[in-house]
Amino acid sequence: NAGVMQNPRHLVRRRGQEARLRCSPMKGHSHVYWYRQLPEEGLKFMVYLQKENIIDESGMPKERFSAEFPKEGPSILRIQQVVRGDSAAYFCASSPSGDTNYGYTFGSGTRLTVV
Amino acid sequence: QKEVEQDPGPLSVPEGAIVSLNCTYSNSAFQYFMWYRQYSRKGPELLMYTYSSGNKEDGRFTAQVDKSSKYISLFIRDSQPSDSATYLCAMSAAGANSKLTFGKGITLSVRP
Repeated sequence: NAGVMQNPRHLVRRRGQEARLRCSPMKGHSHVYWYRQLPEEGLKFMVYLQKENIIDESGMPKERFSAEFPKEGPSILRIQQVVRGDSAAYFCASSPSGDTNYGYTFGSGTRLTVV
Repeated sequence: QKEVEQDPGPLSVPEGAIVSLNCTYSNSAFQYFMWYRQYSRKGPELLMYTYSSGNKEDGRFTAQVDKSSKYISLFIRDSQPSDSATYLCAMSAAGANSKLTFGKGITLSVRP
């Protein structure tokens, strides 16, 4: 029973390139959350998705960032034209419902480094 | 003022010590309170959760919530070197689509 799977674990991109981060939720989970952890900072909510729907993107930067969770396949967090300030650990979490007020399971994260 | 403030660290204690980790918050709508443990280069792992005010115990861990003071704590008894990690408090409001607001985290080191 695999947990939340994220890949790649480490991603290096040059400034201006695109970064694609993938998240496969736990089996049976149809709700996905993305968080970003900057150095010396706690986790910050970015976006909450259900299959084929963005439910809450209040934490997403207005430009260059987008997320999707298609009917088939993993959820994707996409960062266009990356800048040094995008270097962070990006964590995905999943839950079986959108009313999970008792916490949810996180993946091991993707560590993005922009050079 | 940040929504969630967590005591700054790092914190170093000898093995066997009682550890107290604390967070304060400003949003009265928060009703669900969690503690996550994060080992280096790993994802956060849910340790404990509580709803509203009160205490909850699980083995060596006790979570305490005081909503009147907007203050939550995590106590670790008989601390072990394996408890060395970063501890993050997190909280959410009802009907908030389970969106969590985290503290910055505190790094704990338990010396053998």
